[in-house]
Amino acid sequence: KAGVTQTPRYLIKTRGQQVTLSCSPISGHRSVSWYQQTPGQGLQFLFEYFSETQRNKGNFPGRFSGRQFSNSRSEMNVSTLELGDSALYLCASSPQGEFNQPQHFGDGTRLSIL
Amino acid sequence: GDSVTQMEGPVTLSEEAFLTINCTYTATGYPSLFWYVQYPGEGLQLLLKATKADDKGSNKGFEATYRKETTSFHLEKGSVQVSDSAVYFCALSPSTGRRALTFGSGTRLQVQP
Repeated sequence: KAGVTQTPRYLIKTRGQQVTLSCSPISGHRSVSWYQQTPGQGLQFLFEYFSETQRNKGNFPGRFSGRQFSNSRSEMNVSTLELGDSALYLCASSPQGEFNQPQHFGDGTRLSIL
Repeated sequence: GDSVTQMEGPVTLSEEAFLTINCTYTATGYPSLFWYVQYPGEGLQLLLKATKADDKGSNKGFEATYRKETTSFHLEKGSVQVSDSAVYFCALSPSTGRRALTFGSGTRLQVQP
């Protein structure tokens, strides 16, 4: 069974630009979550999607948004990029997003802002 | 709110030494607990899990027991290998409310031959 696939693996952008990251969950998984990993703040939850609806949201500004498609694939968008947005962005999936189900992570997209 | 506290790293051990990485948590109700491992340049891999008090999760020689009375989920391995060198994250999933993992800060393990 293929794992969680994130594309691209690396991105370099400049301040003020916008970026879209993509995530394909494990086949059959309907819940997709996004996390930001930085050396200073560690791993922080961005949002979770289930059946094309945002079900949960973390404490990030509105510049961070996402969506989920009918095939459960998800995209995350960051607009008006800031230097502090440089991070590893991780996508995770689980079958139904139940509380006791583990989430399975992709290898992430490393975003660098110049 | 929920929180997870891990011991500071790095932890440096010789091959075949015993490993303990401490993890304590604060949460209401009965969270599920997880250990994830991250190798350089990769995402997080689920190492083991426990979903109720006194459960013991185990995988690849690693073990952790969900202790409700001490709110702990310490990771142990009897004999580490160089290939175990990585960063280890303790995480919790709440039993109600927002479906999101709360992670500890991570503990880097370095195993020397």
